[in-house]
Amino acid sequence: ETGVTQTPRHLVMGMTNKKSLKCEQHLGHNAMYWYKQSAKKPLELMFVYSLEERVENNSVPSRFSPECPNSSHLFLHLHTLQPEDSALYLCASSLRTGNSPLHFGNGTRLTVT
Amino acid sequence: GQQLNQSPQSMFIQEGEDVSMNCTSSSIFNTWLWYKQDPGEGPVLLIALYKAGELTSNGRLTAQFGITRKDSFLNISASIPSDVGIYFCAGHEAGGKLIFGQGTELSVKP
Repeated sequence: ETGVTQTPRHLVMGMTNKKSLKCEQHLGHNAMYWYKQSAKKPLELMFVYSLEERVENNSVPSRFSPECPNSSHLFLHLHTLQPEDSALYLCASSLRTGNSPLHFGNGTRLTVT
Repeated sequence: GQQLNQSPQSMFIQEGEDVSMNCTSSSIFNTWLWYKQDPGEGPVLLIALYKAGELTSNGRLTAQFGITRKDSFLNISASIPSDVGIYFCAGHEAGGKLIFGQGTELSVKP
């Protein structure tokens, strides 16, 4: 398996649920990212990890909690979400932070009811 | 903050036509990247540009890094139905932050 793999592809959760999104990259990259993509909006950067250390947190509400146990895996833990959090959540990786192109997974389509 | 101006926002063309879209920024960028996103999928990297003036092709796609380092264009020649999708430009600012354009939605009529 190659590239960036995200699971699940689709997730429906209530506002009181706790769930986690998973991302795995097989590219040997050292940086991983979470983006939020809402309709008619540019991609919104949420978190950046470099060599398992969080290097950027773009004022994301605490109901989103990232975890990077190693350079190949990235999680996004979700709890007490709001309906406006419904969106496509994209994971990406790059060789390093800075001028390296990002490679994206296919995303998790999240619906909060 | 920094924004990219990507145009046009949408295009409706006939199969076989050539397509051109562009992005401009208010400051100098170190890289320009072009992505395509199909419905239900993540963005896929089409072309990466690293030097001012660089012109790179990928099949029917051609992209250029503007000489001023503040703009880039993507051309698609002889469009086909599978070219349908949303095309995003992106670029790294001088400080390394990656900025995305708002996308160009391409529709191709057979």
